[in-house]
Parts: sequence; C-alpha cells; structure tokens
Amino acid sequence: DAGITQSPRHKVTETGTPVTLRCHQTENHRYMYWYRQDPGHGLRLIHYSYGVKDTDKGEVSDGYSVSRSKTEDFLLTLESATSSQTSVYFCAIRGRGRTEAFFGQGTRLTVV
Amino acid sequence: AQTVTQSQPEMSVQEAETVTLSCTYDTSESDYYLFWYKQPPSRQMILVIRQEAYKQQNATENRFSVNFQKAAKSFSLKISDSQLGDAAMYFCAYRSAFHGQNFVFGPGTRLSVLP
Repeated sequence: DAGITQSPRHKVTETGTPVTLRCHQTENHRYMYWYRQDPGHGLRLIHYSYGVKDTDKGEVSDGYSVSRSKTEDFLLTLESATSSQTSVYFCAIRGRGRTEAFFGQGTRLTVV
Repeated sequence: AQTVTQSQPEMSVQEAETVTLSCTYDTSESDYYLFWYKQPPSRQMILVIRQEAYKQQNATENRFSVNFQKAAKSFSLKISDSQLGDAAMYFCAYRSAFHGQNFVFGPGTRLSVLP
C-alpha cells in the first residue's frame, strides 16, 4: 500500500472559520491531488501539485488554497468554511512515470 | 474538457453471478489511461483495474475484466463470480497521457451483491 496519510480523519467546524487538512506521503511521489467527494458528483479536483511550490487549480477551487513546501506534505486550506464545503476530502499521490493514483483514507469535514 | 459518464447509479447482482458496469467518456485525445476504482463502506479508494488506450487487449485482473471500445469511447467493467465483498461504489476514471496530470472521475455506480 502507498504510504499516504490524511489528517484529521473527521472534523466538525463552524461557518466562517479557517480549516487546514493535511496530506502526508512517504513515497517521494511528484504529483499530489486534493479531491472532494459528493453524492452524484464522484470525485472532483480541487487543486493539484506537480512539485514543491508548484500547484494549480482544479475545477472546484473557489474557497480553497493549497501549499506544498516539502515533497511529502500537501496542505488544503478552507479560508472561511461554508456549509457547501461539507464533504469528504481525498488526497491522492502519483509517482512520475506511474499510471495510477493512490488515495488516502479521506477526511470527512462537516461545516455547521 | 474530458468528461466521464456512468449511467447506472445503482446495480445489484446475485452472489456468484456476473455483472457489468458501464462507463463512457468524452475526449479528443488519442492516448490516455482509464481506471476503475472501488470504494467499499470503509471509504478507501482501491484501484481495481487500469487500461492504457494504446493497448488493444482488454485488461484483466482475476475476476475483473474490462471491455474497452476506443472508437465508441466505452470502458465497461465485468465482475465474474460476484462475491459479497464486491459490494461497493465503483468509479470510472480517465487521465490524459499528455495534457495535464489530473484524473477525471465519473459519478459512480453503487453495486449491491445479494446472497
């Protein structure tokens, strides 16, 4: 199994507060992704990274920011959480030259 | 932009029987990868099978096989000898071999296995 860990696994937060989710990998993989999963939508890309300090937006990036200061860590920040950001968030990694992505366990975030 | 469609939100199969899950995709590219991921109630995303578009031979992994029809842009998953542990959400996904490095997912099909 790929060494990828998400933290926290569950979080409840209040509307308007900032929230940071962490993705940590031990595989030294180049590519890292943040997706959100909502019923009827599958997984939708929020942001991705193709190297340290190299990130780009996905299709649902509004209200989210990311940072990658080290190869192993990819942080997702909700600048001011809203109820529409209640979701399950997945981090994924892919090695250079590899075809598939490997996923973390997911973080269930509830914004009340 | 590429899109992936799974037209069956839910399906069921009798234990030991065979079931086929459908997936179609839209792309103008000639080289890409296709995947089926399984998500059991544990929420973990598990790679089931992958297919490279340049390969004509359909991928097979034990009881799981695909029917890849490139011209029709169709990528169905066949599960043979279904087991109770196959019950899960199944997601079809696409990734370009050239442009961007992102995975595009379909909305998923929930598979129930009846004893």
